[in-house]
Order: sequence, then structure tokens, then C-alpha cells
Amino acid sequence: NAGVMQNPRHLVRRRGQEARLRCSPMKGHSHVYWYRQLPEEGLKFMVYLQKENIIDESGMPKERFSAEFPKEGPSILRIQQVVRGDSAAYFCASSEGHPNQPQHFGDGTRLSIL
Amino acid sequence: AQSVTQPDIHITVSEGASLELRCNYSYGATPYLFWYVQSPGQGLQLLLKYFSGDTLVQGIKGFEAEFKRSQSSFNLRKPSVHWSDAAEYFCAVVPPMDTGRRALTFGSGTRLQVQP
Repeated sequence: NAGVMQNPRHLVRRRGQEARLRCSPMKGHSHVYWYRQLPEEGLKFMVYLQKENIIDESGMPKERFSAEFPKEGPSILRIQQVVRGDSAAYFCASSEGHPNQPQHFGDGTRLSIL
Repeated sequence: AQSVTQPDIHITVSEGASLELRCNYSYGATPYLFWYVQSPGQGLQLLLKYFSGDTLVQGIKGFEAEFKRSQSSFNLRKPSVHWSDAAEYFCAVVPPMDTGRRALTFGSGTRLQVQP
């Protein structure tokens, strides 16, 4: 029974390139959440998606960041024209949706910007 | 605004000693409460959760937490710490269901070191 799968585990990009982070939720989970952990900062919510819908994107930066969760395939967090400040660990979590169902986390993608 | 406070940034205990990690939340109504643990380079693992009912909840790895409404607290405890418990611990909350929000709000974390 696989958990939340994130890939890649590590991603290196040069400034100005695009970064794509993938997340496959746990089996049976249809709700996906993305969080960012910046160095010396805590975990911050970015976006909450269900299949084909963005439910809450209140934590997403207004520019360069986007997320999707298509009908088929993993959820994708996309960062365009990356800058040094985007270097962080990005975690995906999934749940069954009800708030009393806990969110289960993947191992994260460590993004480094050269 | 909703917030979660973990007042202890760093705690060191001896192996076999008891442990208590503090967590306070600020919210109008009682949220759903969670404790997660993160080992270096890893994701977050759920230790336990509180939604309602018995205010003392048992979790994995011998951890327990007690919800105290009067103090807006949800402290994590373990009677006897093992060296493998060294990690970072996060308290987190989700607003009550009627708000429609599902995002976890995390405390800043407490890093636990265990001395032999």
C-alpha cells in the first residue's frame, strides 16, 4: 500500500529555468495539498486541489507558481523562471478530504537553484 | 488570525527521561489538532490527532498528547525517550469543518536531541 509518492527527490535548476514537481497521492485519496519548507522557516501551505479543481490557493505566490491535479496522473507543482529564493523543500500531502481525516505526507522534493 | 505556537525551539533530554513538547493554538473554536515528526531529509509522519472526545490521545511510537481547552494547548508527551526519537516535531491545526478550510497551519517546530 504505497504512500504519497513525490518525484524527483532532488531537483537542481539554474535561475530562469522551470521546475516541475510531481505528487501521486495515496491510493483512495482524492485531495492533494502542497506545502513549502524554506530554510529556517516552518512549513507553509501553498495550495489545495481535488481532481481537476483548485480548491484553495491562498498560499500560492501570485506569480510564477501554478498547480494542477488532472483527472489522470499526478498532481504537478510548476515554478516558472525560478529564482534563488525558490530553493526549499516542497512537500505534498494527500487525504480523503474530511478535515478529521489526517493528511499524509510524501518525502518531499528538495529544490536547489544555482 | 489562526496561529500555532511551539515555544521551545530546541530541547535536549537524556535517553530514558520523560519528554513534554508544548503546543498552544489561537483560534476561535477548537480546531482539529495534530502532531507530526520529521527526521532529517524525510517527510512528515503523523504521530497522533485529536478531533473530539477523550482529551488524552494515544499515538504511535509510545507518544500521547493531552488536549486542554482552557489553556488552548495540545502538549505531546512520552514517558521514556529513545535515541531514535531525535527529530523535529511539529504541532499543526486544521480549522473546524464549518470554515471550509483544509490547510494545515504548522507551529515552527521543536528540535529534539537525545543524549546517551
